[in-house]
Amino acid sequence: NAGVTQTPKFQVLKTGQSMTLQCAQDMNHEYMSWYRQDPGMGLRLIHYSVGAGITDQGEVPNGYNVSRSTTEDFPLRLLSAAPSQTSVYFCASSNRRRETQYFGPGTRLLVL
Amino acid sequence: AQTVTQSQPEMSVQEAETVTLSCTYDTSENNYYLFWYKQPPSRQMILVIRQEAYKQQNATENRFSVNFQKAAKSFSLKISDSQLGDTAMYFCAFMRTGTSGSRLTFGEGTQLTVNP
Repeated sequence: NAGVTQTPKFQVLKTGQSMTLQCAQDMNHEYMSWYRQDPGMGLRLIHYSVGAGITDQGEVPNGYNVSRSTTEDFPLRLLSAAPSQTSVYFCASSNRRRETQYFGPGTRLLVL
Repeated sequence: AQTVTQSQPEMSVQEAETVTLSCTYDTSENNYYLFWYKQPPSRQMILVIRQEAYKQQNATENRFSVNFQKAAKSFSLKISDSQLGDTAMYFCAFMRTGTSGSRLTFGEGTQLTVNP
């Protein structure tokens, strides 16, 4: 198993540009989620999904969209990037019975 | 809403010694999970240990153990025989049982440095 994979590893955007951060897992996990990590802070939940076709907002959802068309994939879309979205983004997945989340390696995003 | 507090931004320990990282949390829930995650310079989030709130016995994973005090809402991590590879940021995290399973609340982290 590859576990949770994220692409790209690093991205530079200009203000106003859009992009999609990719996340995939091969563990057949029901639950997937996106977090952002800012300097000196813990991770904060952006959006999460309890299964294909079902998503919901987390603590800091503004400026981000998600969809879940398959169990394996959970992309995060930035529609119009802002410097405040400069951060490290982590995707995570979990099997409900195990109640433990496994994280991807992260995507570092710089918005100029 | 749940909150998680880690009051030690930085700690250091000598190799082979023992160190304890503190974590307190606030919740009105009775059933939940608590976690410690390790984040080395590579930024990968690595699960260290987890504790189910309904279990009185403290969780242990090799050199890592917790002191879970439910009434005090305290969840400290003890690292025994510290190794250089333990140098990392450590995050305490809370999750309600029976929710979507995808809503972790993290503390601010404690940077641990193990000195040779």
